[in-house]
Amino acid sequence: AQKVTQAQTEISVVEKEDVTLDCVYETRDTTYYLFWYKQPPSGELVFLIRRNSFDEQNEISGRYSWNFQKSTSSFNFTITASQVVDSAVYFCALSLTQGGSEKLVFGKGTKLTVNP
Amino acid sequence: NAGVTQTPKFRILKIGQSMTLQCTQDMNHNYMYWYRQDPGMGLKLIYYSVGAGITDKGEVPNGYNVSRSTTEDFPLRLELAAPSQTSVYFCASSYRRLVSYNEQFFGPGTRLTVL
Repeated sequence: AQKVTQAQTEISVVEKEDVTLDCVYETRDTTYYLFWYKQPPSGELVFLIRRNSFDEQNEISGRYSWNFQKSTSSFNFTITASQVVDSAVYFCALSLTQGGSEKLVFGKGTKLTVNP
Repeated sequence: NAGVTQTPKFRILKIGQSMTLQCTQDMNHNYMYWYRQDPGMGLKLIYYSVGAGITDKGEVPNGYNVSRSTTEDFPLRLELAAPSQTSVYFCASSYRRLVSYNEQFFGPGTRLTVL
């Protein structure tokens, strides 16, 4: 089965703490893409990052960083020095190839609450 | 660019009524998608389209229909609404090249309640 597991349903931290959101995936594809999306309380979905299966380099963007490890099928997301504005639901997603047409399968999301 | 737009933002339907959720994108994306998001359940794919005139079922297509007559528009039709269709509906689009898979851009969502 091809699926994404975000085992952490909810996380609560205090501002300035670092927090890591876990994402574990399963796929039979040798070429695939992984994504993270943010859904703030306003409800829209905001794209954060795309990573393909051939690129295992970690990526840093400001306070955000991503750790992709094929050996453990994980694509974890770390927020450094969290801020109240980081409060949102974060979704990890995996590209799914069926019949030549790619689709995304989403995890159930992790709700992050950053308290002042 | 407006990106992906959806109308309406909110709607309440009675059981058995029908309606169409509108979705338009102005990014000339070839792929378009409809998802539903139930509380605590992530997003599930209802239907998708790889181009004008081509549509296919996703994970949860029952009770819905789509059409794609133009590149820009991808309406979702609900026939005989049921309480189980109460959800938030998101439309998305992406540009698919031969050897890459690009991110999907999402609309703001439509919150539908069926009573």
